[in-house]
Amino acid sequence: DSGVTQTPKHLITATGQRVTLRCSPRSGDLSVYWYQQSLDQGLQFLIQYYNGEERAKGNILERFSAQQFPDLHSELNLSSLELGDSALYFCASSVTPGEAPAFGSGTRLTVV
Amino acid sequence: GENVEQHPSTLSVQEGDSAVIKCTYSDSASNYFPWYKQELGKRPQLIIDIRSNVGEKKDQRIAVTLNKTAKHFSLHITETQPEDSAVYFCAATPNAGNMLTFGGGTRLMVKP
Repeated sequence: DSGVTQTPKHLITATGQRVTLRCSPRSGDLSVYWYQQSLDQGLQFLIQYYNGEERAKGNILERFSAQQFPDLHSELNLSSLELGDSALYFCASSVTPGEAPAFGSGTRLTVV
Repeated sequence: GENVEQHPSTLSVQEGDSAVIKCTYSDSASNYFPWYKQELGKRPQLIIDIRSNVGEKKDQRIAVTLNKTAKHFSLHITETQPEDSAVYFCAATPNAGNMLTFGGGTRLMVKP
């Protein structure tokens, strides 16, 4: 167990819908990252937060948004879902940016 | 920004043989290079890392080497075992403390 908690583990939803993925970082970690991993693909960086503020943004679609709350948990919101959004979404956390983050177990999103 | 290329994309070895995975990076300011192992259906897990002030680091059967001049680093696994079968990701981050940039991954298959 990495200490990074992601909920839900699985999510099945229809095209056009909106979902929220939740992440609780390890105790003491201030930096939270979101990654997308499609089938047999690498880890695509979406966005990073550090102590509540957006730190870096990757190839995140405009339909996606995220935030980190004062208690340091983070949520990734995916809207107007398309079939191609089906993927494994990982949250990761580290004490400071740039250190190797610990990954959660991921949320597997299936859009039908 | 940083760009990390990883080769080969797939690697098949016989049990007991050695395996080498190579990565190149573009940003000369990068100074931290972790490696992750991802077993099928599981989260990526940090297995070893190296900082730019050392050229090599070992941990039992795995080792990582870094050539700052050539901007490449490699993962070496000796005496491979079937449980080493997984996807391995390299990553790099610059001194600015930004998020990790991952390579595309290498699927290692160890045949018994």
